[in-house]
Amino acid sequence: GNSVTQMEGPVTLSEEAFLTINCTYTATGYPSLFWYVQYPGEGLQLLLKATKADDKGSNKGFEATYRKETTSFHLEKGSVQVSDSAVYFCALSSGGYQKVTFGTGTKLQVIP
Amino acid sequence: DAGVIQSPRHEVTEMGQEVTLRCKLISGHNSLFWYRQTMMRGLELLIYFNNNVPIDDSGMPEDRFSAKMPNASFSTLKIQPSEPRDSAVYFCASTNPGAGGTQYFGPGTRLLVL
Repeated sequence: GNSVTQMEGPVTLSEEAFLTINCTYTATGYPSLFWYVQYPGEGLQLLLKATKADDKGSNKGFEATYRKETTSFHLEKGSVQVSDSAVYFCALSSGGYQKVTFGTGTKLQVIP
Repeated sequence: DAGVIQSPRHEVTEMGQEVTLRCKLISGHNSLFWYRQTMMRGLELLIYFNNNVPIDDSGMPEDRFSAKMPNASFSTLKIQPSEPRDSAVYFCASTNPGAGGTQYFGPGTRLLVL
């Protein structure tokens, strides 16, 4: 079956530090890969996605590259801000019905 | 465009009472997912529908939980009777084939069962 593994949190960084959150996956077929973000008290929202190997998704300074050879989709940002503090979920979608398999989430805290 | 709408946003009830959570899909979406989120168990998929038909309810924890889609734009999740361990945030999310797998989440219903 499909599964997503992401690094344990929480991750605490100082403002303007470099961020990496690791994500690897197991899937049948050719999945689409996603990063969702959840701010306190809100639902999950799409941050970025990639639909095929070597695609790079990007949004709000965040990037992730679909690496089929290493089955990875690591999230990066060059300079984090306090407003980036949230929980980040790696996810994949494969097969019919648009069902998504989520990772366990990584909490990011950025301190001034 | 309006996003996914959930009601109520907060619900406090006593053990044994019936609880009904409501979800309105984004117009034009045909798939609906109910999730539960807790600190201990994280985000769990409870059930999902496609074109109003339940596809997989294997995540529903017990027979006390039931979900329906009476029409293409609306769904309910009912817990009867409720128990303290049902306390969680319940999300619904909708999508359609044109969204490329992206799910659109509502703001959630925060349920506390005393």
